[in-house]
Amino acid sequence: RKEVEQDPGPFNVPEGATVAFNCTYSNSASQSFFWYRQDCRKEPKLLMSVYSSGNEDGRFTAQLNRASQYISLLIRDSKLSDSATYLCVVNVSGGYQKVTFGTGTKLQVIP
Amino acid sequence: ETGVTQTPRHLVMGMTNKKSLKCEQHLGHNAMYWYKQSAKKPLELMFVYNFKEQTENNSVPSRFSPECPNSSHLFLHLHTLQPEDSALYLCASSQGPLAGGLSGELFFGEGSRLTVL
Repeated sequence: RKEVEQDPGPFNVPEGATVAFNCTYSNSASQSFFWYRQDCRKEPKLLMSVYSSGNEDGRFTAQLNRASQYISLLIRDSKLSDSATYLCVVNVSGGYQKVTFGTGTKLQVIP
Repeated sequence: ETGVTQTPRHLVMGMTNKKSLKCEQHLGHNAMYWYKQSAKKPLELMFVYNFKEQTENNSVPSRFSPECPNSSHLFLHLHTLQPEDSALYLCASSQGPLAGGLSGELFFGEGSRLTVL
């Protein structure tokens, strides 16, 4: 089983739609969780951290389910500019050694 | 001036060449990283430097040789590479070893796209 698993997509959604991505992780000792965004042929950038109680940043909502070992990202009112690959990142130890990236989920928002 | 800059952006080399990738960070961070990104694979951590001391070598072949002369500069020296080494090589930095342990924010450069013929 992969340490961090994501559906690669692509998810093709119309503008204004709501879309959700899930990411599962295999190590129950994982401590911290993040979503990064990577535009085509660009570098990854932190989108948001994922807190145990769930957190929201504008149109983006991240949630963590420790019991089922998954995190989710919900994007409401999708914009064309949201088109990118969304990388799930899991940190086991809190240090750099155990930061594991998923392969990413590609989102394409269509006019 | 961008936070993390990498040069060259594109590199094509033969299997017998020697080349180097350069990374410079202008963020005052203490930790720097090399990652490899291949198509349809997750980012793979290669090397970590903390206060210019190498603290992680993630079983990387010796044909990749990192160098960190100071906390702001990181090099990846390449020698006798294989075609399967073709990938995007990303440099990143963070405040510390993921500052406070849990902040998770890595600042990436735009990457050096390497093609080995």
